[in-house]
Amino acid sequence: KQEVTQIPAALSVPEGENLVLNCSFTDSAIYNLQWFRQDPGKGLTSLLLIQSSQREQTSGRLNASLDKSSGRSTLYIAASQPGDSATYLCAVRGDYKLSFGAGTTVTVRA
Amino acid sequence: ETGVTQSPTHLIKTRGQQVTLRCSSQSGHNTVSWYQQALGQGPQFIFQYYREEENGRGNFPPRFSGLQFPNYSSELNVNALELDDSALYLCASSPLGGADEQYFGPGTRLTVT
Repeated sequence: KQEVTQIPAALSVPEGENLVLNCSFTDSAIYNLQWFRQDPGKGLTSLLLIQSSQREQTSGRLNASLDKSSGRSTLYIAASQPGDSATYLCAVRGDYKLSFGAGTTVTVRA
Repeated sequence: ETGVTQSPTHLIKTRGQQVTLRCSSQSGHNTVSWYQQALGQGPQFIFQYYREEENGRGNFPPRFSGLQFPNYSSELNVNALELDDSALYLCASSPLGGADEQYFGPGTRLTVT
C-alpha cells in the first residue's frame, strides 16, 4: 500500500522568502507525481505534473523535483507572496488512482 | 474549454438517508475518479470509471456506488449515510484512461447530521 507523507504539516514565512515543501512516498513504482494547491473549502488546482521518467518540472516561480528511487519530491516556491497562502498536496499515481499526502499548510505573512 | 463541474456545492443530510452527487468531466476526458476528503486530511480514492465501467476501487464499502454515462459525466451514490461520511467529495477527470494529469472539480461539501 502506497503511503505518502508531507513534512512539515504547516509553515509560516515572511513575504519574499523561498518555500521548500517535502513529499515522500513508500512505493517507487509510480507513473507520475502531481503537486496541487487547495484553498480553504475549495477543490484542487494542479500546479505541476512530473512523469516518472523526469527529474524536475518548472512553472514560473514553482519548481518540483522527483527522485523516484529514494521516494522523494520537493516543491520549491521562489519569492513567496501572501497569495501563495494555501495548503499544498502531493499525490503519486499508481495503476489507476492518486495517493495523497495530508498536505502542508503555508502562510505567507505580509 | 469547460472544466470539471460538480453539483450540488453543499448539502446537508440526515444519518440513514441516501445522497447522489454529480460530476461533469472536462471536455475530451473519458475517465472520472471520485475522492473523499475529510477535514484536515488528504483525499482518499473511492473509485474510477472509464468508458462507463468501474476501473478500480478504493477501500470503501458497497454502499458507495457510482455510474458513468455515455457523455462521460458521472454520479456518486451513497446509501445509509453515516456521520463519518461528512466530507468534501471531489471529482477528477482525465484523458487516456487516467494515464495523464487529473483535473479536479470544486467539490461537494456533504454534512451528515
